[in-house]
Amino acid sequence: DAGVTQSPTHLIKTRGQQVTLRCSPKSGHDTVSWYQQALGQGPQFIFQYYEEEERQRGNFPDRFSGHQFPNYSSELNVNALLLGDSALYLCASSLGGLTRDTQYFGPGTRLTVL
Amino acid sequence: AQTVTQSQPEMSVQEAETVTLSCTYDTSESDYYLFWYKQPPSRQMILVIRQEAYKQQNATENRFSVNFQKAAKSFSLKISDSQLGDAAMYFCAYRSSRSNDYKLSFGAGTTVTVRA
Repeated sequence: DAGVTQSPTHLIKTRGQQVTLRCSPKSGHDTVSWYQQALGQGPQFIFQYYEEEERQRGNFPDRFSGHQFPNYSSELNVNALLLGDSALYLCASSLGGLTRDTQYFGPGTRLTVL
Repeated sequence: AQTVTQSQPEMSVQEAETVTLSCTYDTSESDYYLFWYKQPPSRQMILVIRQEAYKQQNATENRFSVNFQKAAKSFSLKISDSQLGDAAMYFCAYRSSRSNDYKLSFGAGTTVTVRA
C-alpha cells in the first residue's frame, strides 16, 4: 500500500522565482492538504483540495496556489519567492467524504530560497 | 481560532523509562479531534495516537497512551518503556468537527531525547 509521496525532496531557488511542488496521496485517498513547516516550528495549514477544488485556505497570501488533478494528486505553486518561504512543505492525504478522516503525511519537500 | 500549546520545548528520558508530554488547547467547541504526531529526523510526520473528544476513554496504542482531560482542555501523551527509536519531535494537533473546517492546528512541538 503506497503511502503519501512528494517530489522533489529538496529544492533551491532564488528570490523572485516560482516553484512547483508535487504530491501523490495515499492509495484510496481523495483529499490533499498542504502545510508549511518553518524550522523548529509546527506545521501551518496552507490549503486543502477536494474534488479538484480548494475547499479551505489558511492565512497565506495569493502567491500560494494549488491544483488537484483527476487522479487526486496535487501541486503547490509559490510565485515571487521570498526568503521567508524557506521551509519544509508537507502534503497530507485523507478521505474527504468522512468527517472523521485522519490526515497522513508525506516526507516533505525542503525548499531553500536564497 | 483554536490554539494548541506545548509548553515543553525539550524532554529527555532514559531508555526503558516513562516520559509524559504536555499539551493544552483552546476551543469553544464541544466536539473535536486531538492527535499526537511524531516527526523523526527523517522528517516524515507519523500519526501516533488519535482521540475523539466525545469519547471519555483515553486512547492507547501499544506503549503510547493519552490522558485526555476535556474540562481542563489538556491532552498529554505518555510514552512507556521508552526506546531509542522514540527519539523525535512530537506534535500535538487539534481538528474541529465542524463540517467546513478541515485543517489541523499544531503546537510548536516537543523534542524527545532518549538516553541509552
